[in-house]
Amino acid sequence: QVQLQESDPGLVKPSQTLSLTCTVSGGSISSGGYYWSWIRQHPGKGLEWIGYIYYSGSTYYNPSLKSRVTISVDTSKNQFSLKLSSVTAADTAVYFCARFYGSESYSYFDYWGQGTLVTVSS
Amino acid sequence: DIQLTQSPSFLSASVGDRVAITCRASQGISSYLAWYQQKPGKAPKVLIYAASTLQSGVPSRFSGSGSGTEFTLTISSLQPEDFATYSCQQLNSYPITFGQGTRLEIK
Repeated sequence: QVQLQESDPGLVKPSQTLSLTCTVSGGSISSGGYYWSWIRQHPGKGLEWIGYIYYSGSTYYNPSLKSRVTISVDTSKNQFSLKLSSVTAADTAVYFCARFYGSESYSYFDYWGQGTLVTVSS
Repeated sequence: DIQLTQSPSFLSASVGDRVAITCRASQGISSYLAWYQQKPGKAPKVLIYAASTLQSGVPSRFSGSGSGTEFTLTISSLQPEDFATYSCQQLNSYPITFGQGTRLEIK
């Protein structure tokens, strides 16, 4: 059973960089076939896809956040990470990491972390 | 970006009821649609993918239909554990987008 667990940065100050790490257990990121994703959910709102990375390092970001987002992978630690720069209060949200399966026929997020609330405040 | 609009946004129903939630896409997305269930303080859980394929382990009272721009999630007989928020998600084209969610509450 694949499990994902986000780190817990808690409080981040405005203009700083939000950093999160997702640790994957029960399966190897390097096995391929899946994209390792970050998704966020503003309080009381819908889900927003941030971006994902393949084990090879290929990335795809949501254009709305692309200028501020970097997703990286460390296959030796079976982890992937999110950095979001120049944060504001609008970046306060619950951040989820998730595994994404995509094929020519269908795509979906099949495993998720529990989510971590990141608050941007001075 | 492809916008997904769910209706209704809020639904009140009773145990045993049959309910349907609609997801409309701003442009055609073939069958590249998934449905998720999310309970308060928890991560979403995939119920349906490819518009109508039931994820392994999901009860058969859940079903999905549709293609193109209009999709429906149906719960045939509501159980107490089904009261949650339901969201649709598309990947016909990037960026991946989600609907705003439908909150299903006990009447």
